[in-house]
Amino acid sequence: SAVISQKPSRDICQRGTSLTIQCQVDSQVTMMFWYRQQPGQSLTLIATANQGSEATYESGFVIDKFPISRPNLTFSTLTVSNMSPEDSSIYLCSGQTATLTDTQYFGPGTRLTVL
Amino acid sequence: EDKVVQSPLSLVVHEGDTVTLNCSYEVTNFRSLLWYKQEKKAPTFLFMLTSSGIEKKSGRLSSILDKKELFSILNITATQTGDSAVYLCAVEAGGGSQGNLIFGKGTKLSVKP
Repeated sequence: SAVISQKPSRDICQRGTSLTIQCQVDSQVTMMFWYRQQPGQSLTLIATANQGSEATYESGFVIDKFPISRPNLTFSTLTVSNMSPEDSSIYLCSGQTATLTDTQYFGPGTRLTVL
Repeated sequence: EDKVVQSPLSLVVHEGDTVTLNCSYEVTNFRSLLWYKQEKKAPTFLFMLTSSGIEKKSGRLSSILDKKELFSILNITATQTGDSAVYLCAVEAGGGSQGNLIFGKGTKLSVKP
């Protein structure tokens, strides 16, 4: 299994500012993903963080709004740019190991509130 | 379009009851079905199912997958207040080495003392 940590665990931000969320995995994982969960909704995949190349974004999410980095196999960042109250959500990082089980392991999440 | 549907959306039971949570899916290139328990933030992994008819069991929780009928159930016996949570079902689908997770909306379980 993989243990995933995220920082910060929560933050309250002002409209128009940006926040960078860090995700650290304790072992090398093949894939890393960023999810968002808004109240009353299921987890939504934002993008796949690709090591050494640009992230792959899902429909409705763009790089200018959610720039992602993944400089190595155990670390990734997600930036929420020019925030608005609609960005208030829990942001989760997950990692998928290159094993037969291919289970995704989730980080504890970052609860973001935009005022 | 890939989708995962959970039912019921919410459920209130009393301690000691047995509950069954349902998850049906329609996806392309099914890989696995996962159950998670979400209490506050991130969901906690419960089970991963890939083969039909093989029950996975952990304490009072058990789950089984039917790939013909495209559904899974999660059973919880002798429920306790600590079982109160949102139970998420997710299906991993897609080809190649990258799996995409499609989550259901979850079943909110409330266990009353």
